Formats: sequence, C-alpha cells, structure tokens
Amino acid sequence: KQEVTQIPAALSVPEGENLVLNCSFTDSAIYNLQWFRQDPGKGLTSLLLIQSSQREQTSGRLNASLDKSSGRSTLYIAASQPGDSATYLCAVEGDQTGANNLFFGTGTRLTVIP
Amino acid sequence: KAGVTQTPRYLIKTRGQQVTLSCSPISGHRSVSWYQQTPGQGLQFLFEYFSETQRNKGNFPGRFSGRQFSNSRSEMNVSTLELGDSALYLCASSLEGGLTGELFFGEGSRLTVL
Repeated sequence: KQEVTQIPAALSVPEGENLVLNCSFTDSAIYNLQWFRQDPGKGLTSLLLIQSSQREQTSGRLNASLDKSSGRSTLYIAASQPGDSATYLCAVEGDQTGANNLFFGTGTRLTVIP
Repeated sequence: KAGVTQTPRYLIKTRGQQVTLSCSPISGHRSVSWYQQTPGQGLQFLFEYFSETQRNKGNFPGRFSGRQFSNSRSEMNVSTLELGDSALYLCASSLEGGLTGELFFGEGSRLTVL
C-alpha cells in the first residue's frame, strides 16, 4: 500500500524566508502528484499538479519538483508571507489504484511570522 | 465560476442515526470523489463516481454508500453512525475523472457523532 510521508510536521519561519517542504512516497508507480493547502476548518485548495512524466511545475512563488524514481517531491515557497500560513498536503495518485484514489500525506503545518 | 458546494456544512447526530451529505460539483465536471478527514487517520478516499457509476471505492465498511445523479450532483450516506465517524467529509470534483488531472475540493461537511 502506498505510504506518503511529509517532513517536517510543522515549520515556523519569519516573513520573507524561502522554504522547502518535503514529501516522500513508497511506491513509485504513480500517475501524478498534487500539492494542496488547507486553511483551518476549510477544504483543500489545489496548488500544483505534476504529472509523472514531468519534473517540476511552477506557479507564482511556488515551485514543486518530482523525482519519481526516488519517491520524492519538494514544494519550494519563495519569499514567504503571513498569508502562506496553512497546512500543506501532498497527494499521489497511483496508476493502478483507480480514478481519483489519492493517497495523502499527513501534512506540514506552516506558520509565517510577520 | 462557482466551486464545489457541499451541504450541510455542519451537523450533529447521535450514534445509530444515519446521515446524508450532498455535493454539487463544478459545472461541467462529471467526476465526484469523497474523502474522510480525521485527526488520527488523515485524509482517506471513500469512493468516486463518474456518469452515475461508482468506479472506485476505498477501504470503508458498507455503512458508507453514495450515489450520483444525472446532473453530476452526488450524495453520500452513512448509516448506523458510530462515534468514530465524526470527521470532516470532503467532496472533490474533476473534469473527466480517470487518471487525468486536478481535483477541486469543497469546504467540507463537518459531522459530529455524539
């Protein structure tokens, strides 16, 4: 069964810092990997989707990379802002587990201090 | 355009009762998936519907069921509620389903079982 791990579980940084969130998965037979953010008590907002054939995706201050062979993804956030404070979740979709059956990590809770 | 809409947002039930949650996907999206989020287990996949057919199912007991209507709206039902069913239930929609792309989540329905 696919296991997804996110390190660290929590992270506090001062505003303006660049930071990296890590995600690892045990089964490299994935179709895609998505990064989401979740604000307290809210649903998930999709940030970036990386197909298994891609190496990275960028959106604004966010850059996500994928190394399928080593089972790792990173989410890089540049020039962090207090509004970036949220829980960040990565999720992988296996190519054998059927439609939209995403396996989620437990998340990294990010706090950006003004 | 309108996002994924889930109703009700909050509800309280007692053990043994049943509950029905509703999800309206983004207009034009035909795939609807349901997830359960708890502090202990994180996010877990329940099932996915496409064109009124359940295509994929997670590892949950038969008390959890769902359906999809011809307009792509979906409902999930939990019968004989247990304390452990207390959770945030999230619905997500995607354009075609299958191993294609981005999932868009609703705000969730928070169920408390007393």
